[in-house]
Amino acid sequence: AQKITQTQPGMFVQEKEAVTLDCTYDTSDPSYGLFWYKQPSSGEMIFLIYQGSYDQQNATEGRYSLNFQKARKSANLVISASQLGDSAMYFCAMREGMNTGFQKLVFGTGTRLLVSP
Amino acid sequence: NAGVTQTPKFQVLKTGQSMTLQCAQDMNHEYMSWYRQDPGMGLRLIHYSVGAGITDQGEVPNGYNVSRSTTEDFPLRLLSAAPSQTSVYFCASSPGHYSNQPQHFGDGTRLSIL
Repeated sequence: AQKITQTQPGMFVQEKEAVTLDCTYDTSDPSYGLFWYKQPSSGEMIFLIYQGSYDQQNATEGRYSLNFQKARKSANLVISASQLGDSAMYFCAMREGMNTGFQKLVFGTGTRLLVSP
Repeated sequence: NAGVTQTPKFQVLKTGQSMTLQCAQDMNHEYMSWYRQDPGMGLRLIHYSVGAGITDQGEVPNGYNVSRSTTEDFPLRLLSAAPSQTSVYFCASSPGHYSNQPQHFGDGTRLSIL
């Protein structure tokens, strides 16, 4: 079963507007973490934001925020005031068993965001 | 502030050739791992290590070997390259004890097998 689902292969947004990238996950582990990474056309993976399953508040990092709805098992990334440099591939990833040694990251298939002027 | 360094950035091999992808990190991270990225499939874990001398298999380990003789280095070996191993390979490291810390990725190695 797919553990991380990103249903939007591509998204378009105009500069300065906000955009939400969807991510749903599947786990039975009560202790997990959710990560968002950005991959620009140059190819590197850039960490954006983290949300732990026990965190009481939604994570925020500058223009990035995570809309975490635990009961719905969703962890959507919200980018406010989009910039041209936000055009990239965005990956949602999950790590289970957060306190049990190495935990692999399971990635979704990604959403390609294009920001237009 | 190098972080995770991967070499080479690009490589073309013929079927049956062997090669080693290098990965080094200067953050004293305990955990290191190798992922491959294929179109439409996200990243998948190949092998990982929780410290020097300790390695284990990930989701797609066949055709790859790893070893970890030092904290800093975690090379990935292709013993006999196959076209199915054409992919982009990422090395990552993380502190280990702090489970909410993200994995830091290298810039990737784009590998083509002819």
